Amino acid sequence: DVKVTQSSRYLVKRTGEKVFLECVQDMDHENMFWYRQDPGLGLRLIYFSYDVKMKEKGDIPEGYSVSREKKERFSLILESASTNQTSMYLCASSFPRREGGAEQYFGPGTRLTVT
Amino acid sequence: AQSVSQHNHHVILSEAASLELGCNYSYGGTVNLFWYVQYPGQHLQLLLKYFSGDPLVKGIKGFEAEFIKSKFSFNLRKPSVQWSDTAEYFCAVNAYNNDMRFGAGTRLTVKP
Repeated sequence: DVKVTQSSRYLVKRTGEKVFLECVQDMDHENMFWYRQDPGLGLRLIYFSYDVKMKEKGDIPEGYSVSREKKERFSLILESASTNQTSMYLCASSFPRREGGAEQYFGPGTRLTVT
Repeated sequence: AQSVSQHNHHVILSEAASLELGCNYSYGGTVNLFWYVQYPGQHLQLLLKYFSGDPLVKGIKGFEAEFIKSKFSFNLRKPSVQWSDTAEYFCAVNAYNNDMRFGAGTRLTVKP
């Protein structure tokens, strides 16, 4: 079974703090993704990566950055956390598929509260 | 860029009722379509997917979905829901690449 793990289930941080969310997958997937999930908005793509040291902006990258130094690990960084970044953060991974449409496997999520 | 609309935000059904959840997407080219489900307290998991071929696809737990290209729709159906189907359901689409766009989700509550 594919396993995607996230470093924390719950996290509480103060405004202005630097926050690191870690994601690790054990299936040698090339593709990794970070989403945030908010009620009524579904999942919105923040950043994704198709390879080590590669990153692409998703639909809502402002206020976030990412790091992918190893294939299995994809980190999401909030440089200076703000209250509007309070959300559930989901990590996902997939194999590439030439025609697109690769199934994504999700981690359990990190519920981040910024006070 | 592709986008997805799910028209029902919260659906409440009694057990044994039939279910249909709407999903429409906007993209003019070839698409791959998905339904994911998130049971309370669990990970998102794939329910079913459509790449090509038969537009009626069957997934796990008795769910099916029909792709209607002319309507840009991919509606999810189940003839008889159970209490254990209570969950949030997400429609998703991608085109030629491997990143995906999700709808806002539909929360399904099944009353026993």
